[in-house]
Amino acid sequence: DAGITQSPRHKVTETGTPVTLRCHQTENHRYMYWYRQDPGHGLRLIHYSYGVKDTDKGEVSDGYSVSRSKTEDFLLTLESATSSQTSVYFCAIREGVPYEQYFGPGTRLTVT
Amino acid sequence: EDKVVQSPLSLVVHEGDTVTLNCSYEVTNFRSLLWYKQEKKAPTFLFMLTSSGIEKKSGRLSSILDKKELFSILNITATQTGDSAVYLCAAINAGGTSYGKLTFGQGTILTVHP
Repeated sequence: DAGITQSPRHKVTETGTPVTLRCHQTENHRYMYWYRQDPGHGLRLIHYSYGVKDTDKGEVSDGYSVSRSKTEDFLLTLESATSSQTSVYFCAIREGVPYEQYFGPGTRLTVT
Repeated sequence: EDKVVQSPLSLVVHEGDTVTLNCSYEVTNFRSLLWYKQEKKAPTFLFMLTSSGIEKKSGRLSSILDKKELFSILNITATQTGDSAVYLCAAINAGGTSYGKLTFGQGTILTVHP
């Protein structure tokens, strides 16, 4: 257990509504990541952060934004949710070198 | 673009069988390869492989990396129903702005029948 929590754990929302998912860590890790997992695609990186206010895009960042105003929280926002964003979202942290990442419990998001 | 491919995509075996899962990668500035096990929840870390030809072992699971041929295998001997899971491999890109980013394969779904 790397001290990672995600909230909410489940959410159903309607197309066009904004949604924010929260990742919270208790162990002061510098690097945090947001992934989505869909059948047949494994895990795909949405955005990542390498420090407070320092973020960068991953391979599937369109339609998502992130913010990190303090070390322990990394927020993922869907400005206007679409059905294609129905997925399971995982947050991960990296314990510095040598680079393995540890995952939070996930958030199942359904956009109707 | 970094790419990781796993095979087979699914596998059904009986308890006691030995299985081999494959992972090939094309990653710039490759540093290491990771294996994870996922059982209907978050992926849990199994192994990290950085050096070629050195086997990592944990109980009935073992893994090895070939950096010349760009692949890794995960072996599970004497399989048990508790080994049923999705096995994910991921490659680390340690270069430039990609520093430490993982690229995952699609996963192999392993089902072990009693």
